[in-house]
Amino acid sequence: GAVVSQHPSWVICKSGTSVKIECRSLDFQATTMFWYRQFPKQSLMLMATSNEGSKATYEQGVEKDKFLINHASLTLSTLTVTSAHPEDSSFYICSARDSRDRVYSNQPQHFGDGTRLSIL
Amino acid sequence: ILNVEQSPQSLHVQEGDSTNFTCSFPSSNFYALHWYRWETAKSPEALFVMTLNGDEKKKGRISATLNTKEGYSYLYIKGSQPEDSATYLCAFGGGYQKVTFGTGTKLQVIP
Repeated sequence: GAVVSQHPSWVICKSGTSVKIECRSLDFQATTMFWYRQFPKQSLMLMATSNEGSKATYEQGVEKDKFLINHASLTLSTLTVTSAHPEDSSFYICSARDSRDRVYSNQPQHFGDGTRLSIL
Repeated sequence: ILNVEQSPQSLHVQEGDSTNFTCSFPSSNFYALHWYRWETAKSPEALFVMTLNGDEKKKGRISATLNTKEGYSYLYIKGSQPEDSATYLCAFGGGYQKVTFGTGTKLQVIP
């Protein structure tokens, strides 16, 4: 159980293109999802917390207009990298928290497989 | 920014050897410490959630200990097998706290 599907796995596109990444919880509902970014040899860095039906909460230094997050249903959050440039090339991964977990629960997050984004 | 460090960054062990690695984290405002196992091209898989000082958790040949007062957790693998090859991540926080990840320890078990 607790499967998170992230799509696509790989994206290669030209500079200036907008790229949408989907994160779906397949067998549970997720009020809260998280988007992380990882640069080579660095840790997963939280970009934003996505909340179903409300605005995402962005971490300091993350541009809201650059990384658009939409969490329109209890099973889907999307991250759109707008007008992507080579410096946006990175590994992006989402995770989800089961809505049945209490708000202050210490239950682990359930991760997708990640998306490798390369901007030429 | 919280400092969560893992060591070593990588290691190679022979099949059958036992090994261990460390996660260091702030000793104040502790909530929970998570260990994940992350195989290449797959999603991170939760191994343990540890919340109490002195906690010891075990899952097959893998076990973990927790010292919240000094701010470290050890992950042990007994009798390493090639299928144990993965990156092991620790993460500090949870609940109402933001989760901060370490950089991981990449384990390669040589047959």
